[in-house]
Amino acid sequence: AQSVAQPEDQVNVAEGNPLTVKCTYSVSGNPYLFWYVQYPNRGLQFLLKYITGDNLVKGSYGFEAEFNKSQTSFHLKKPSALVSDSALYFCAVRDPGDYKLSFGAGTTVTVRA
Amino acid sequence: DAGVIQSPRHEVTEMGQEVTLRCKPISGHDYLFWYRQTMMRGLELLIYFNNNVPIDDSGMPEDRFSAKMPNASFSTLKIQPSEPRDSAVYFCASSLQTGRNTIYFGEGSWLTVV
Repeated sequence: AQSVAQPEDQVNVAEGNPLTVKCTYSVSGNPYLFWYVQYPNRGLQFLLKYITGDNLVKGSYGFEAEFNKSQTSFHLKKPSALVSDSALYFCAVRDPGDYKLSFGAGTTVTVRA
Repeated sequence: DAGVIQSPRHEVTEMGQEVTLRCKPISGHDYLFWYRQTMMRGLELLIYFNNNVPIDDSGMPEDRFSAKMPNASFSTLKIQPSEPRDSAVYFCASSLQTGRNTIYFGEGSWLTVV
């Protein structure tokens, strides 16, 4: 069975500081990993994904994520956070042998001005 | 592309009433998913379809819930009768043949059962 853990319910950072949102996963094979963002009263928006290849994946809005197989992690990062990055972030995993995404509980990011 | 389109965006209904949520997937996508989001349980997969055929409905909470996909461009999720504990955000999502492909979500239907 596949699963995702987001160990932090909340992350608070000052604008301009680096932002990291943590994610660890469990899957039987090589994982497909995704990050989504949800703004208040909106749907989930796709940010980036790791399928294979380079461990550093770049996505929308200046976000990137690093796949670490030995630590089974896929942390989301942004070098300089903006107030507009304040939102709920979800990590998700799919076993290549499955068709559905399993989501973490989500991490609320608050960027203060 | 217009993205995944869901209706209604907001619905308030009385306990015992029938609720029908609608979804139009992205054109050409052959997988369609229904998810439910609540504070207590997070995002849960209810059911998904491939080429209009239900593949896995193990996440449907009980017989009061049903989903159909009569054609490639339309799906419904029905709750009958509705109960207050069904209050949640219901998301429809679609993708091309899955695996590497991204699943794209609609804006959600906010359901309140009073």
